[in-house]
Amino acid sequence: AQSVTQLDSQVPVFEEAPVELRCNYSSSVSVYLFWYVQYPNQGLQLLLKYLSGSTLVKGINGFEAEFNKSQTSFHLRKPSVHISDTAEYFCAVRNYGGSQGNLIFGKGTKLSVKP
Amino acid sequence: DAGITQSPRHKVTETGTPVTLRCHQTENHRYMYWYRQDPGHGLRLIHYSYGVKDTDKGEVSDGYSVSRSKTEDFLLTLESATSSQTSVYFCAISSPSGNTIYFGEGSWLTVV
Repeated sequence: AQSVTQLDSQVPVFEEAPVELRCNYSSSVSVYLFWYVQYPNQGLQLLLKYLSGSTLVKGINGFEAEFNKSQTSFHLRKPSVHISDTAEYFCAVRNYGGSQGNLIFGKGTKLSVKP
Repeated sequence: DAGITQSPRHKVTETGTPVTLRCHQTENHRYMYWYRQDPGHGLRLIHYSYGVKDTDKGEVSDGYSVSRSKTEDFLLTLESATSSQTSVYFCAISSPSGNTIYFGEGSWLTVV
């Protein structure tokens, strides 16, 4: 069975500082990986995804993530955060070739950017 | 934004009453999903559909039923609502490749 672990439930950071949100997964087969962002009282918006190819994936709003197969990780990074990045971030995984219904989410990381 | 509309967006209901949440899409996508979101649990799949009248259970399907009589509509029904079903419910649809899932704005349900 697949699982996703987001190692930090909350990450406070000052504006213009770099940030890394950590995500580890477990799966016995190849996977697709995703990061979603959720602003207060809104739905989830796709930030970026890894399907295949280059392990460094660039997404919207200046975020990027690196797929590390040996460490089964997909950490999200941004070199300089803004107040507007304050939100909850979810890592998710789906088996390569698996049912489209089987998207497994982590429990989320709340990013709080302080001035 | 993917064309997904959820209704109602907010509802308060009493324990034991039936509740139906509706998800409407304008994208003509085959796959549709219902998730619930609870603090400390992230999002968990309730049911999903892979076509008209084709549905399957997800991780937390007990107490819920679904129906899909048209491609564009996916209904989630709580036959007899309980306080443990107080949650935010999200509908989602897949891109044709299945590699991206798009979410609606959510339906806040409170069972008192």
